[in-house]
Amino acid sequence: QKEVEQNSGPLSVPEGAIASLNCTYSDRGSQSFFWYRQYSGKSPELIMSIYSNGDKEDGRFTAQLNKASQYVSLLIRDSQPSDSATYLCAVRPGSARQLTFGSGTQLTVLP
Amino acid sequence: DTGVSQNPRHKITKRGQNVTFRCDPISEHNRLYWYRQTLGQGPEFLTYFQNEAQLEKSRLLSDRFSAERPKGSFSTLEIQRTEQGDSAMYLCASSFGQGEGAFFGQGTRLTVV
Repeated sequence: QKEVEQNSGPLSVPEGAIASLNCTYSDRGSQSFFWYRQYSGKSPELIMSIYSNGDKEDGRFTAQLNKASQYVSLLIRDSQPSDSATYLCAVRPGSARQLTFGSGTQLTVLP
Repeated sequence: DTGVSQNPRHKITKRGQNVTFRCDPISEHNRLYWYRQTLGQGPEFLTYFQNEAQLEKSRLLSDRFSAERPKGSFSTLEIQRTEQGDSAMYLCASSFGQGEGAFFGQGTRLTVV
């Protein structure tokens, strides 16, 4: 079992819709969770962090964490074509100093 | 620009040659990470520094790879006797606190021919 799992997609949504991206992780001791956006040919960009159960909102982005289910999600409201990118879920396992990344979900927002 | 800076941006080398990459982290960040990313995959952890101390190395890291961070500032990643399988994007990231997310540089794309 991979430490961090994401559906690779591709996920396509129409402009203005809500895009929902999901991630599961294996280490129950994980305390820090992050979402990164990566445009083709570019490096990952940190867009959200979440540390406690529940929802965290930042503009059009909402991160959701459920530690009991070992599940993290990212919602993008009012999706725009500029949101088309690969979204990487990253987790800091309980005993580790580094982040462990999923393989990413490719999102396409259709105009 | 106060972000993480990596040089060079691109490197093409012949198999068997040595290459060295440089990373300048965000100035107040004491934690520095090296990752490697291949097409369709997420970044894969290579090594971690806190200040000048190298505290973590991936078990997957070959003996041909070495990294340094003298004086806890910039860092270098050297690959000796490069192989075609080393072709990838090498990413450097830095963070201030252990619980915080890491900020990535633009990456160095290595092509071994």
